[in-house]
Amino acid sequence: GAGVSQTPSNKVTEKGKYVELRCDPISGHTALYWYRQSLGQGPEFLIYFQGTGAADDSGLPNDRFFAVRPEGSVSTLKIQRTERGDSAVYLCASSSNLAGGVDEQFFGPGTRLTVL
Amino acid sequence: DQQVKQNSPSLSVQEGRISILNCDYTNSMFDYFLWYKKYPAEGPTFLISISSIKDKNEDGRFTVFLNKSAKHLSLHIVPSQPGDSAVYFCAAVFGNEKLTFGTGTRLTIIP
Repeated sequence: GAGVSQTPSNKVTEKGKYVELRCDPISGHTALYWYRQSLGQGPEFLIYFQGTGAADDSGLPNDRFFAVRPEGSVSTLKIQRTERGDSAVYLCASSSNLAGGVDEQFFGPGTRLTVL
Repeated sequence: DQQVKQNSPSLSVQEGRISILNCDYTNSMFDYFLWYKKYPAEGPTFLISISSIKDKNEDGRFTVFLNKSAKHLSLHIVPSQPGDSAVYFCAAVFGNEKLTFGTGTRLTIIP
């Protein structure tokens, strides 16, 4: 598969638990983005990686949310002490981020997180 | 503070007619605008884009118009086809980084 993949596709957890969501970007893409889409809303930016480093994490709602990309490829979004309000579809996107212009972001199918 | 707004949550259009989806923005720093299409249980897919230095971009049945003075853009689909039924998101970007999305418009093409 050449596209962005995300696992799991669905995750149901209980309030207070810890969850990890995984994103496999398109091979060779240096930029990786996490977005969150709540019901009836558009995707909202969470964090952007350029290589291994978080270039912009201004969208993370609070310190319960953390993301890593240790080798500049796969990324994991980690949510501690989950709350019911964290229920949403978490989308990952990647782009080649070549110099000049705006690069198309390719999205994965998302992980639907439900916090009971 | 919604910087990108799509005021029509839904739109129904007869097959073969023109579909017009609208989007307004408030941040004059945005320099690129994109339209994404989303089917259920799939991620958004890129459709068409326009730079802020242009006022029109066309790709087959899809045309995007940008009115910078009004901070308004629109997506025209003609002729509309049943496969165009989806949720359409307008998005804007400053520099080459994060996308700011609108809330989406659900387009239904009636056969």
